Amino acid sequence: GQNIDQPTEMTATEGAIVQINCTYQTSGFNGLFWYQQHAGEAPTFLSYNVLDGLEEKGRFSSFLSRSKGYSYLLLKELQMKDSASYLCAVVDSNYQLIWGAGTKLIIKP
Amino acid sequence: GAVVSQHPSWVICKSGTSVKIECRSLDFQATTMFWYRQFPKQSLMLMATSNEGSKATYEQGVEKDKFLINHASLTLSTLTVTSAHPEDSSFYICSAGSVTSDYEQYFGPGTRLTVT
Repeated sequence: GQNIDQPTEMTATEGAIVQINCTYQTSGFNGLFWYQQHAGEAPTFLSYNVLDGLEEKGRFSSFLSRSKGYSYLLLKELQMKDSASYLCAVVDSNYQLIWGAGTKLIIKP
Repeated sequence: GAVVSQHPSWVICKSGTSVKIECRSLDFQATTMFWYRQFPKQSLMLMATSNEGSKATYEQGVEKDKFLINHASLTLSTLTVTSAHPEDSSFYICSAGSVTSDYEQYFGPGTRLTVT
């Protein structure tokens, strides 16, 4: 079966750095997405990785290791508005998005 | 990024009635549209995938006769919840994608359905 694992919840302090991990086992791989979802809102795109390595975009960076079936989302200089759920999703061999359950990130002052 | 709209943003209906939700891609042609349902504090659950001009592909456990999906054009897909019941109350989100967008999905703002 296909499986994506990410922690259910994480807590971090404003101004700090947090890393949200995602491991996956899917039938094929055509890329991995990270989405941010605030409560009661639809997900918004953060990043897309298809090659190994680190992609940096402002305060957010995403890393991928295809051989390990592993990705992480790194958030720097945390702000209160970063409190949200972060969803990891993998595009499988049928070009379908397989979603993780999401990681709820709580930012404390 | 591409813009996807959804209408209505929220709706309250009585049990037994039907509700139609529209999903539009405003500035690009969406060859594929996806419909998701999300219950509180849970992740997105894919309900169905529809390609323009063809029948939708429903995920296991989703009743196709209850959740009618029409994708008549490259910019519009509709989801009709027929004979709604309180357990259908949920957050329904559509997304649109095309192969030219690296399989990224652009999400609509969602529709909050409450069935009383």
